[in-house]
Amino acid sequence: KQEVTQIPAALSVPEGENLVLNCSFTDSAIYNLQWFRQDPGKGLTSLLLIQSSQREQTSGRLNASLDKSSGRSTLYIAASQPGDSATYLCAVETGTASKLTFGTGTRLQVTL
Amino acid sequence: DTAVSQTPKYLVTQMGNDKSIKCEQNLGHDTMYWYKQDSKKFLKIMFSYNNKELIINETVPNRFSPKSPDKAHLNLHINSLELGDSAVYFCASSQVGTSVEQFFGPGTRLTVL
Repeated sequence: KQEVTQIPAALSVPEGENLVLNCSFTDSAIYNLQWFRQDPGKGLTSLLLIQSSQREQTSGRLNASLDKSSGRSTLYIAASQPGDSATYLCAVETGTASKLTFGTGTRLQVTL
Repeated sequence: DTAVSQTPKYLVTQMGNDKSIKCEQNLGHDTMYWYKQDSKKFLKIMFSYNNKELIINETVPNRFSPKSPDKAHLNLHINSLELGDSAVYFCASSQVGTSVEQFFGPGTRLTVL
């Protein structure tokens, strides 16, 4: 049974800092890993999707890496801004039918 | 313009009642999902439908019955609501197949009193 863990559970950083969010999963037989952002009271917004054959994906100030064999992914956010404050969720797709298993999330606060 | 929409946004009801949540997507996707996010913010899949056919049913109680009248809609009907059903329910959609991006709706916050 796939289990996904995210560390830390919460993080507060001053504006401008670079930061890393961690995600680990127990079953390395995944199709892909996705990072999502969830704002309070809102739905999920997909940030990055890394295929199982890829090592990393970049979008703007975001860079996500994937080490499938060790069951780890990191989301790197460069030059953080207050607008980055949200909960970040990673999810892995395993099995058939596009089943996503989500991590517990990291709540990020970027302060002025 | 909204890609995945859900109604209602908030739903407050008494224990024992029956209620429905509606979901519609205008992305032309073939696959739709229902997820439940509990009070600890843990998100877990409940169902997925591919072109109106049930694909995933994650040991959800029989009181929950998804219905897909067409591939753009996936509604969730809940019978005999219980306190533990209180959660945020998210609908999502994607193209058919693996390794495809899923697009989520804004969520429906269900509170059972």
